[in-house]
Amino acid sequence: QKEVEQNSGPLSVPEGAIASLNCTYSDRGSQSFFWYRQYSGKSPELIMSIYSNGDKEDGRFTAQLNKASQYVSLLIRDSQPSDSATYLCAVKLGGNEKLTFGTGTRLTIIP
Amino acid sequence: GAVVSQHPSWVICKSGTSVKIECRSLDFQATTMFWYRQFPKQSLMLMATSNEGSKATYEQGVEKDKFLINHASLTLSTLTVTSAHPEDSSFYICSASRDRDQPQHFGDGTRLSIL
Repeated sequence: QKEVEQNSGPLSVPEGAIASLNCTYSDRGSQSFFWYRQYSGKSPELIMSIYSNGDKEDGRFTAQLNKASQYVSLLIRDSQPSDSATYLCAVKLGGNEKLTFGTGTRLTIIP
Repeated sequence: GAVVSQHPSWVICKSGTSVKIECRSLDFQATTMFWYRQFPKQSLMLMATSNEGSKATYEQGVEKDKFLINHASLTLSTLTVTSAHPEDSSFYICSASRDRDQPQHFGDGTRLSIL
């Protein structure tokens, strides 16, 4: 079992709709969770961080964390073509500075 | 604005050349920085953890004599790819965080092409 799993996609969503990206992790000791966006040929850019169960909203983005189910998700409302990118889920174990990344989900917003 | 700066953005050089890549934290001190490598259409692979004032910690399978890391100050880490060969061509990215509980921020990356 991979430590951090994501559906590789591609995920296609019409413009204006909600894009839902999912991630599961295997280590129950994980304490910090991050979503990064990576455009083709560019380095990752931090979108959201979440540390406790529940929802965290920032503009059009909402991160959801459920530690009991070992599940973290990212919702993108009112999807725009500029949201087309690969979204990386990353997890940090408690006391460990290293990030463990999923393989990423490629999202395409269809105009 | 950017919190981590990485230079150069592109390097094209001949096989056998050594290449140095710099990573700087711009407005904070980073006792730890990270170096990643990414091949086309693949995910990020952590190469090593750079520790200020001490030796880097390399991930399994990464040659420490091939990829030299120096973290001489709290704002600068360098990665030197020694005697680079075409198979070392890749996208190299560094990252740093303000403290252990904060997210990592990435530099813009260095695209290395060895001819």
